[in-house]
Order: sequence, then structure tokens, then C-alpha cells
Amino acid sequence: KNQVEQSPQSLIILEGKNCTLQCNYTVSPFSNLRWYKQDTGRGPVSLTIMTFSENTKSNGRYTATLDADTKQSSLHITASQLSDSASYICVVSDNDGGYNKLIFGAGTRLAVHP
Amino acid sequence: DTEVTQTPKHLVMGMTNKKSLKCEQHMGHRAMYWYKQKAKKPPELMFVYSYEKLSINESVPSRFSPECPNSSLLNLHLHALQPEDSALYLCASSPGRWDFNQPQHFGDGTRLSIL
Repeated sequence: KNQVEQSPQSLIILEGKNCTLQCNYTVSPFSNLRWYKQDTGRGPVSLTIMTFSENTKSNGRYTATLDADTKQSSLHITASQLSDSASYICVVSDNDGGYNKLIFGAGTRLAVHP
Repeated sequence: DTEVTQTPKHLVMGMTNKKSLKCEQHMGHRAMYWYKQKAKKPPELMFVYSYEKLSINESVPSRFSPECPNSSLLNLHLHALQPEDSALYLCASSPGRWDFNQPQHFGDGTRLSIL
């Protein structure tokens, strides 16, 4: 069964600190892995997309890594800001059947405190 | 501001009402999606349209009826909904069903409450 698991479920950090969120997946065939940020009451916003051959991708203070051998990904947030408080969702794309179906993780809820 | 616009932002309706949710994008995307999201849960795919034709229906009850009048618009018609249908309904678009490595752009959703 295709699954995406994220850890931790929730995380509290102080402003200015770094943090790393984890994502493990069992999805086949694998097309790509995405990280989305979802603020409360808003739609998800794409942070990064990585294909099988990409190990790392950055978007400002967000850096995602992918190990396709171990089927693990991480999202590292540097110098956190209050505006980073949100849910971070790991999403793996399964292109079985020619359709770009997204398999969502449950998300990590991050709270950044002053 | 998101590039996918959804209206209304909030909707309260009774179980016997008929209402519609609207989604609009002007990015030239040819794939559009409806998702349902319950509180503290990830989005669940409902429908996929590709080139204005329904490609995927994830076994959604018939009280939800999608419509794609043109390449920029996506509607979701609602009728005889149940209280458990209360959720955030998200619309998304992407360049095309076959563009596997392109992000889906989400709107901010319609918060639906069924009385």
C-alpha cells in the first residue's frame, strides 16, 4: 500500500532556531516528492519538488533532501521566523497509469514561538 | 495572493439546499482538481479534470457534481449534503495531467458547513 509517513506530528521551536522535519514513504512507482506549506485556513503552497535523481533542493530558508534508496526525505528550516508556523506536508507523486496522483502525508504542525 | 481563486470563502447551507463552489485560474493550466480536507487531516482527492473532461472520480457520492465549463473554470455543485460533508474544499490546478514534475497550485478553499 502506498503510504507517506511524517514525523514529528507537531513541533515547537523558538524563533531563530533551525529544525528538521522527516518524511518516509513507500510509494511505487515513484515520480517525485514534494513539500508543501499550509498556513491555517489557507491552501497548501509548494516549497520544493524533487525527482528521483535529485538529492537536495533549496527554496530560501527551506532545504529539502531526498534519499531515494532509503525512501526518506527531510525538510530543514534555517533561522526560523514566526511566519514559518504552519503545517508542512510531504507529498509523493505516483504516476502509475499515467496520472500524477499525489499521496499526502499527515503533516507536521510547526509552531515558532518568540 | 494565490493564483487559483475560489469563491465563496465560507458557505453555510442546510441539508436540503443546492449550492455551488467556484474555482478559477488564469495560468493556462489544463488539469484541475477538487480536494476535500477535514480538520488536521491532509487533502483527499475527489475529482480530476484534464482538458475540460472528467478524468478521475475517486468514488465521490453523487451529491457532489463537478463541472468544467471551460479551461479556466471549475465548479462543484452541491445537493442534499450531510453534516459529515462539512470540510474545507480545495481547488488546484497544474499545467497538465502529464506534467508529472510540476506543482499543483492550490486555492485557499471554501470552508463549508452543513447544518
